[in-house]
Amino acid sequence: AQSVTQPDIHITVSEGASLELRCNYSYGATPYLFWYVQSPGQGLQLLLKYFSGDTLVQGIKGFEAEFKRSQSSFNLRKPSVHWSDAAEYFCAVEGSGYSTLTFGKGTMLLVSP
Amino acid sequence: NAGVTQTPKFRVLKTGQSMTLLCAQDMNHEYMYWYRQDPGMGLRLIHYSVGEGTTAKGEVPDGYNVSRLKKQNFLLGLESAAPSQTSVYFCASSYGGTGIFYEQYFGPGTRLTVT
Repeated sequence: AQSVTQPDIHITVSEGASLELRCNYSYGATPYLFWYVQSPGQGLQLLLKYFSGDTLVQGIKGFEAEFKRSQSSFNLRKPSVHWSDAAEYFCAVEGSGYSTLTFGKGTMLLVSP
Repeated sequence: NAGVTQTPKFRVLKTGQSMTLLCAQDMNHEYMYWYRQDPGMGLRLIHYSVGEGTTAKGEVPDGYNVSRLKKQNFLLGLESAAPSQTSVYFCASSYGGTGIFYEQYFGPGTRLTVT
């Protein structure tokens, strides 16, 4: 069965600094990978997704992620963080054949002034 | 379009009571899902449906039942609520299948407390 690990429970970044959130997956074949963001008290919003092709994926709000098969990773990056980026971020993998997602436990991003 | 809506937004139950959570989507999606979210646990799949009249178990199905009598609605039932079912419940839907256009759309969530 597939699994997702997000090693960092919390990360604090200064506003304007760069960000990288880590995600490692376990899946036998080529995975479909996703990053979602959840603002406090809200549902989940899709930031970006990887299916195939170019391993660097661009998403909304200035985020990007790079798929590295050799490292089983799909890390999320942003060059300059804004205070409004403070939220919880979830990495997910789809691979069951029924379009179900397996989520990581999430990384809470705090942005300091 | 309203997207995915959930009813109610908040609910408090006593142990042993029953209730039904309603999820509705207006995107004509085939697939629908129920997740629960607990602190430090991420989202875990409870049940899902790949079409009207179908349901299947996810990762944590015990204590829950579901029904998909209409394509646009997916109901989650708790027959005898337990404190361990205190959680935030999210419904999601997708067009089904996989590929570049695949995406799950999430509702705003229902916060359930069982005392």
